[in-house]
Amino acid sequence: ETGVTQTPRHLVMGMTNKKSLKCEQHLGHNAMYWYKQSAKKPLELMFVYNFKEQTENNSVPSRFSPECPNSSHLFLHLHTLQPEDSALYLCASSPNGGGQETQYFGPGTRLLVL
Amino acid sequence: GQNIDQPTEMTATEGAIVQINCTYQTSGFNGLFWYQQHAGEAPTFLSYNVLDGLEEKGRFSSFLSRSKGYSYLLLKELQMKDSASYLCAVVDSNYQLIWGAGTKLIIKP
Repeated sequence: ETGVTQTPRHLVMGMTNKKSLKCEQHLGHNAMYWYKQSAKKPLELMFVYNFKEQTENNSVPSRFSPECPNSSHLFLHLHTLQPEDSALYLCASSPNGGGQETQYFGPGTRLLVL
Repeated sequence: GQNIDQPTEMTATEGAIVQINCTYQTSGFNGLFWYQQHAGEAPTFLSYNVLDGLEEKGRFSSFLSRSKGYSYLLLKELQMKDSASYLCAVVDSNYQLIWGAGTKLIIKP
């Protein structure tokens, strides 16, 4: 049990749908992250929130919209996605957002865009 | 550019020893992580090296040479449950994590 949960675990959506991914951490951490993981590719950092403020947006298309209402919850709102957005979306948290901190990951949401 | 190289896939036998290499070219260095990720599961922390040398943790050890831009993860007495992907990640000069693509380790009986 990692202390980071993600829902849903699997999601299939059409290109015109709107859906949201949810992440919750029970570790008392102040930093939360969204990553995209595609087969045989390095993890791609999408967004970072530190103390509820967005501190990183790695040129992510606007069809991905993050929301962090508090330090324990993180959402990724999806709309008008493309088939190439199909991937595993991982949420992670760390104590204070420092690069040398261990990150604790959730199990991910496997997304398929048709 | 920044780059992390790991073998894509390795196969080893139960009970044996395997070494997974990671070489990096990054703008600065502030540490190197190894994570384990079983299929369909979350990556979990294995080790963190910031100084040269070998750090041992049970059946797993991690080695770092900063001058060579090189690390390896050594797994001893392999068990079937060690079948997983192993991710190498380097903390660069801006304290950003640079990830490798991971090495899929297959353990055969």
